[in-house]
Amino acid sequence: AQKITQTQPGMFVQEKEAVTLDCTYDTSDPSYGLFWYKQPSSGEMIFLIYQGSYDQQNATEGRYSLNFQKARKSANLVISASQLGDSAMYFCAMREGPSGSARQLTFGSGTQLTVLP
Amino acid sequence: AAGVIQSPRHLIKEKRETATLKCYPIPRHDTVYWYQQGPGQDPQFLISFYEKMQSDKGSIPDRFSAQQFSDYHSELNMSSLELGDSALYFCASSSLTSRLETQYFGPGTRLLVL
Repeated sequence: AQKITQTQPGMFVQEKEAVTLDCTYDTSDPSYGLFWYKQPSSGEMIFLIYQGSYDQQNATEGRYSLNFQKARKSANLVISASQLGDSAMYFCAMREGPSGSARQLTFGSGTQLTVLP
Repeated sequence: AAGVIQSPRHLIKEKRETATLKCYPIPRHDTVYWYQQGPGQDPQFLISFYEKMQSDKGSIPDRFSAQQFSDYHSELNMSSLELGDSALYFCASSSLTSRLETQYFGPGTRLLVL
């Protein structure tokens, strides 16, 4: 079974509008971390936001917020006030196990976001 | 702020040749990870090192080997290269003492095998 599922291969959003990128995950480990990364066409992988499995509050980082619904095993990324520079591939990733365990990240297949002027 | 450094950024090799990719982690980071991203695919974990010891192993071919040195830099050695090894190779580093243990990625080495 897929550990990370991103069901939206491509998304379009109008500049200045908000957009939600979906991510569901599958793990039996009670301790895990969820990450979102942005990969522009230039190829680098840029860390955006983190949510720990025991975090009570949804994570926020500037225009990025993570809608964490633990019971549904979803960790959707919300980008507010989209900008042209937000056009990129977005990956959801999970680390199973507690912090300090040096575990690998497992990535979803990504969502290609295009911001329209 | 200092980032992860990878060299070379681009590499072209022939089939059956060898390649060595280098990674210099963020200062004071103790863990290094290697990922392979094929065209149009998500990154796949290869191997990781914590304090110079192999920590975790993923889908790394036997033709590949890696190590972390005393200065924490890491090298990925790839032998008997195949066409299918053409990919973007990322190194990431993290600090296991930080709460988030976020993996910060380098710019990647783009390997093309002809």
